[in-house]
Amino acid sequence: QVQLQESGPGLVKPSESLTLTCTVFGGSFSGHCWSWIRQPPGGGLEWIGYIGFLGTSNVNPSLKSRVTVSEDTSKNQLSLKLSSVTAADTAVYYCARGKIEAPRSGLEIWGQGTMVTVSS
Amino acid sequence: QSALTQPPSASGSPGQSVTISCTGTTNDISIYNYVSWYQQHPGKAPKLIIYEVRKRPSGVPDRFSGSKSGNTASLTVSGLQAEDEADYYCSSYAGTENLVFGGGTKLTVL
Repeated sequence: QVQLQESGPGLVKPSESLTLTCTVFGGSFSGHCWSWIRQPPGGGLEWIGYIGFLGTSNVNPSLKSRVTVSEDTSKNQLSLKLSSVTAADTAVYYCARGKIEAPRSGLEIWGQGTMVTVSS
Repeated sequence: QSALTQPPSASGSPGQSVTISCTGTTNDISIYNYVSWYQQHPGKAPKLIIYEVRKRPSGVPDRFSGSKSGNTASLTVSGLQAEDEADYYCSSYAGTENLVFGGGTKLTVL
């Protein structure tokens, strides 16, 4: 049974960079894609980006200049780097596995999420 | 890409049916059959309940059904139960491997 677990710093200062890691337990990277999604307190879901087979990736155009998604298949991990953070980046960040090698067909397995607060 | 539009709230009594709409544009819902729906209970991660407009993942009750007409997708919950009270989000493929979500609908079981 595949499980995802996000980890990160919890608190980040404005203008700094944020790096989150998602570890995949009980499964492999092949045959699926891996997305990052965030949810501000009391707000809705926002798709951040994904990485898929052979490292193909894409990022939400609204975040493209600040986001990098990557993977380390040897560790069964994917990473999200968000630069120049502001208070608007305060959110619960989720990683999720897509049903297929692209995110279009639904995100079928989600991690429990990790809360990130941007504050000085 | 713009967020999809959902009503902020919906409600129904146990046993009734409720339909939640999700309106997109000519760049997403209307041209792609890749609409998904997610259920989220407070403090929990979202759960996929519908994908590719009308398909249900294994284990999702057939009380949940999806459909699409033009640029609007719909989720219908039949035979409402207390545990269906949750937030529901739609999402759609928006081309070039981009996804867009709706703002969410809070479903209350009266």
